[in-house]
Amino acid sequence: EVQLVESGGGLVRPGESLTLSCAASDFTVRTTYMSWVRQAPGKGLEWVSLIYPNGHTDHADALKGRFIISRDNSENTLSLQMNSLGSEDTAVYFCARGPLFGDYVFDLWGQGIQVTVSS
Amino acid sequence: SSELTQDPAVSVDLGQTVKITCQGDSLRNYYAAWYQQRPGQAPLLLVYGKDNRPPGIPARFSGSSSGNTASLTITGAQADDEGDYYCNCRDRSGKDHVVFGGGTRLTVL
Repeated sequence: EVQLVESGGGLVRPGESLTLSCAASDFTVRTTYMSWVRQAPGKGLEWVSLIYPNGHTDHADALKGRFIISRDNSENTLSLQMNSLGSEDTAVYFCARGPLFGDYVFDLWGQGIQVTVSS
Repeated sequence: SSELTQDPAVSVDLGQTVKITCQGDSLRNYYAAWYQQRPGQAPLLLVYGKDNRPPGIPARFSGSSSGNTASLTITGAQADDEGDYYCNCRDRSGKDHVVFGGGTRLTVL
């Protein structure tokens, strides 16, 4: 079954770091575009980071370089290293396949993982 | 604020047709994609491109676009269509950055 499963979330204190992982099944992450999208409590969706098939990465400007997206081709996983976390980073984080088709489409989503930043 | 604007809430009577809109300058150059999100669940891709649906998405979900406005039409709304609907497309930065609309909460009466 084609699916994405996130892990690594939890409660962290302000200023700490956390790394999320996303395991892909039945497709190969290195051959497609992959992203992280987050959703703060009661809020809408916010695109966070993108990794291209060629390994190039890009991030939302608002993150100011605090987040690093990467992938492990041997494990077929996607990761998001989050540094200098603040309360504004509290959200459910989704990994998603995309953007695709030239129309910036996300066609497959993980179930999401909660990240809470609190002292 | 988002570069894509959606009405916060819309309601529709059971079995009737509803249109959910998304406005933004990016939509003059790019098609919107539409997602449904039920409480506690991940978003689900409904419509993308000119009017394309992934396998398994009913034909009563359709998309259209005119100028700076994209629309998702649900023909014959059903009770389990209740939820939040989001649009997205490329943002205006010229980079491969993505923007989402603020979401529309659909209530089926």
